[in-house]
Amino acid sequence: GGIITQTPKFLIGQEGQKLTLKCQQNFNHDTMYWYRQDSGKGLRLIYYSITENDLQKGDLSEGYDASREKKSSFSLTVTSAQKNEMAVFLCASSMDWGVQNTLYFGAGTRLSVL
Amino acid sequence: QQQVRQSPQSLTVWEGETAILNCSYENSAFDYFPWYQQFPGEGPALLISILSVSDKKEDGRFTIFFNKREKKLSLHIADSQPGDSATYFCAAGGRGGNYKPTFGKGTSLVVHP
Repeated sequence: GGIITQTPKFLIGQEGQKLTLKCQQNFNHDTMYWYRQDSGKGLRLIYYSITENDLQKGDLSEGYDASREKKSSFSLTVTSAQKNEMAVFLCASSMDWGVQNTLYFGAGTRLSVL
Repeated sequence: QQQVRQSPQSLTVWEGETAILNCSYENSAFDYFPWYQQFPGEGPALLISILSVSDKKEDGRFTIFFNKREKKLSLHIADSQPGDSATYFCAAGGRGGNYKPTFGKGTSLVVHP
């Protein structure tokens, strides 16, 4: 078995601040994802990385940057936090990029912006 | 454009009843449909999945019924238990350029004892 570790678990930021969320996986998976979860809106894909050194924009990439530092880690940066923003950011990984791959999720980073 | 739709948004059933969660999709290229279960404070986890070549998939108390012609599927939870109270996400993926996993907005299920 493996695990996805997201840090921090809770993140409180100020409006306009640049915030970085980190994700580590020990599955040895090729593909990693960042999703944003808002109440009533489901999961929306922000960025994904098919293999190490790859980076692809998802449906919600504006206002975010991402970095795949190595195979096991994938970071997400909120470039300028929006006032009163509240969301959960979920990191996931899958064996590779293809049909029928199970996504394994971390427990999330809960963001609040004052 | 929302490619995967779920209904109802929330559902309450009594222990022992069958809960039925619905999902529909737009893209005919989708051919893999996993359902994920999420408990509060946790990330989603795969519950059960189906390929479009099948019309039914069972795993214990959980059954997916799939109608390719109508682009609809449903998750039936038989003999619902309070421990099944969670949010359920229907997702879809296809081959090649359509692979990108797409999630619905989820159904929040509450099972009363």
